Amino acid sequence: ELKVEQNPLFLSMQEGKNYTIYCNYSTTSDRLYWYRQDPGKSLESLFVLLSNGAVKQEGRLMASLDTKARLSTLHITAAVHDLSATYFCAVLGGRGSNYKLTFGKGTLLTVNP
Amino acid sequence: GAGVSQTPSNKVTEKGKYVELRCDPISGHTALYWYRQSLGQGPEFLIYFQGTGAADDSGLPNDRFFAVRPEGSVSTLKIQRTERGDSAVYLCASSLGQGPYYEQYFGPGTRLTVT
Repeated sequence: ELKVEQNPLFLSMQEGKNYTIYCNYSTTSDRLYWYRQDPGKSLESLFVLLSNGAVKQEGRLMASLDTKARLSTLHITAAVHDLSATYFCAVLGGRGSNYKLTFGKGTLLTVNP
Repeated sequence: GAGVSQTPSNKVTEKGKYVELRCDPISGHTALYWYRQSLGQGPEFLIYFQGTGAADDSGLPNDRFFAVRPEGSVSTLKIQRTERGDSAVYLCASSLGQGPYYEQYFGPGTRLTVT
């Protein structure tokens, strides 16, 4: 059974600071996704990472993937209040279930002025 | 273009009642998924349709839950004899095809509260 662990679960940051969210998963996967969720809203896709060493950046967010370590990171640079949200990583299931997303518990990010 | 839509956006029901939740996928998307998100948790897979048939219903928690997609487009998730533990946000997603090359697009969800 595929398991996805995120840490930290709660993150309170000051504006302008940098921080990293970690996502570990237990078995080989085809793809890894990062999503953002605002309160009461659905999931907004941020990044999809396909292969070992993949790095993607959008604004103040950068995601990377190490398939050998089964680890992805979401790095936040010079945080601003607008980044406050819950961030989920999700891994697409392996052989036989390559349509099923397994999510981490999410990281609630609060950026304080 | 229109995204995935779900109705109702909120549903409050009494314990023991029957509820139906509807999902309209993106036009042309053949694959449809239901997930459940409990408070403070990530979404959990319930069921996946390819066309009209349920290809994987392994995530349905018990036989009170059932889903259909009779014409390969709209899907309805049905919950019988609701329990307080069924309270959650039910998310629907659709994708153009099945497999790792097709991204799933999520709807806004239906928040179900069982009192």
